[in-house]
Amino acid sequence: KAGVTQTPRYLIKTRGQQVTLSCSPISGHRSVSWYQQTPGQGLQFLFEYFSETQRNKGNFPGRFSGRQFSNSRSEMNVSTLELGDSALYLCASSSGLGYNEQFFGPGTRLTVL
Amino acid sequence: GENVEQHPSTLSVQEGDSAVIKCTYSDSASNYFPWYKQELGKGPQLIIDIRSNVGEKKDQRIAVTLNKTAKHFSLHITETQPEDSAVYFCAASRNQAGTALIFGKGTTLSVSS
Repeated sequence: KAGVTQTPRYLIKTRGQQVTLSCSPISGHRSVSWYQQTPGQGLQFLFEYFSETQRNKGNFPGRFSGRQFSNSRSEMNVSTLELGDSALYLCASSSGLGYNEQFFGPGTRLTVL
Repeated sequence: GENVEQHPSTLSVQEGDSAVIKCTYSDSASNYFPWYKQELGKGPQLIIDIRSNVGEKKDQRIAVTLNKTAKHFSLHITETQPEDSAVYFCAASRNQAGTALIFGKGTTLSVSS
């Protein structure tokens, strides 16, 4: 079974730009969650999508948004990038039903200059 | 808001020794507590999890204990090996799918041979 894939793996942007990250979950998984990982704040939950609907949301500003398509693939968008948005963005997929393991992808490393 | 505190931040042991990592959580509605291992350049990987109706769970050299009254849970690794060296994260979730995880800040475990 193929794992969670994230594209691109590395990204460099400048302040004020916007960026879109992509996540393909494990086949059959309907839940996709996004997390931000930084040395200072650690792993922080951004949001979760289940069957194309946002089911849970963390405490991030509205500049961070996401969506999920009918094939469960998900995208995350960050607008008006700030230096502090530099981070590893991780995507995790699970069946979304009951207490099922979340499988993490390798992440997208975003650097904002 | 919801918070998970994790100690220690770094832990160095000799091969064959035991390692213990402790976490406390603030949200009394939390009901699912996974532990993740993250190696360099990779996403976190689930190593063991426990639900709120269970006090202890074991899987070979790894065990987790949960004290709901005190809002504490701990990871125990016995007979440590050099390949156990990694960053370990505890997490807590209050929803029935075990998503929207709140993570601790992580423990860097070093096992020397």
